[in-house]
Amino acid sequence: GQNIDQPTEMTATEGAIVQINCTYQTSGFNGLFWYQQHAGEAPTFLSYNVLDGLEEKGRFSSFLSRSKGYSYLLLKELQMKDSASYLCAVRSGGSYIPTFGRGTSLIVHP
Amino acid sequence: EADIYQTPRYLVIGTGKKITLECSQTMGHDKMYWYQQDPGMELHLIHYSYGVNSTEKGDLSSESTVSRIRTEHFPLTLESARPSHTSQYLCASSEDGQGTEAFFGQGTRLTVV
Repeated sequence: GQNIDQPTEMTATEGAIVQINCTYQTSGFNGLFWYQQHAGEAPTFLSYNVLDGLEEKGRFSSFLSRSKGYSYLLLKELQMKDSASYLCAVRSGGSYIPTFGRGTSLIVHP
Repeated sequence: EADIYQTPRYLVIGTGKKITLECSQTMGHDKMYWYQQDPGMELHLIHYSYGVNSTEKGDLSSESTVSRIRTEHFPLTLESARPSHTSQYLCASSEDGQGTEAFFGQGTRLTVV
């Protein structure tokens, strides 16, 4: 099985930078996804990492260290609309099915 | 915008009723999934399919069943709804391949009274 751990809740100020961490324990790591989910809505894809390093996409970046079982999602120039839950999901073995963590609820205040 | 649709969005139903939650995608994806999500909790995989006539149970035990007769359609059925089935049900699909993400429907929020 997989064990995925994220902080439950974070708060940040509009315009600031926030880093959301995700640690995981799995055998046969096969990729890590970050999704954003606004309250009452479907998760939407943000990023995918399978090799070590940083993937940058606009205001959002995601980092992976496979040896440490660790990833983070970095959100820059925070906006109020970034208030949402951020889900870390890991694939392992030969399966294409991601296993999700509980998500981190991010609250952005003025 | 993802072309995956779920109906109904909201459903309130009495105990013992049979219900079917619909999920359709127009992207031609072979892989489809059903997740169950309670407020503030992680998504739990309850069923998945790798293609037509392929269905498997997920990690979370569920009293629901699914079918995959056509690529685009992956309905989930509860033969006899119970209050413990009250939850949000999310359908998703993805292409084959290493880095392909899942596209999610808007979800069905089910309440069994």
